[in-house]
Amino acid sequence: AQSVTQLDSQVPVFEEAPVELRCNYSSSVSVYLFWYVQYPNQGLQLLLKYLSGSTLVKGINGFEAEFNKSQTSFHLRKPSVHISDTAEYFCAVSAYGGSQGNLIFGKGTKLSVKP
Amino acid sequence: DAEITQSPRHKITETGRQVTLACHQTWNHNNMFWYRQDLGHGLRLIHYSYGVQDTNKGEVSDGYSVSRSNTEDLPLTLESAASSQTSVYFCASRGDSYTDTQYFGPGTRLTVL
Repeated sequence: AQSVTQLDSQVPVFEEAPVELRCNYSSSVSVYLFWYVQYPNQGLQLLLKYLSGSTLVKGINGFEAEFNKSQTSFHLRKPSVHISDTAEYFCAVSAYGGSQGNLIFGKGTKLSVKP
Repeated sequence: DAEITQSPRHKITETGRQVTLACHQTWNHNNMFWYRQDLGHGLRLIHYSYGVQDTNKGEVSDGYSVSRSNTEDLPLTLESAASSQTSVYFCASRGDSYTDTQYFGPGTRLTVL
């Protein structure tokens, strides 16, 4: 079975500062990795995903994430955040095949960008 | 544009009542999912379906049921609502590949008094 740990439940940061949201996963098989964002009172939308190939993945809104197999991590980064990035961010993992292909979510990290 | 909708968006009900939450998608996806979101727990899978007439239990399925009679709809039923089922419920759908993006509805906020 797979599991996901998001190490920070809340991350406050000032506008235009860089940010890193941490995600570690556990799995005995190869996985796909995802980051989703949830703006207040909305559903989740995909930011980016790692399937294979280059370990640095670029997503929407200037976010990027790096897959590190040896450290089983998939941290999300943005070099300069905006007020509009205030949201909750979820890391998710899925494995190959059957019900293992279903997404397993972390508990989320609330990013709060202050002016 | 294709979309996934949920209704109602907000619902207040009483303990013991049966409640059905609707989910409708126009992506023509075979795979559909129901999650609940609770503070400190993230999203947890309730039920999922890989196609018409197919339904499967997820991590937190007790007290919930689903049925899939067509591709577009996956209604979630709470057979006898309990206060522990107060939550925000999200429906999602995905294409046939595990690498496809999973699209989420806007959510239904359910309060059980």
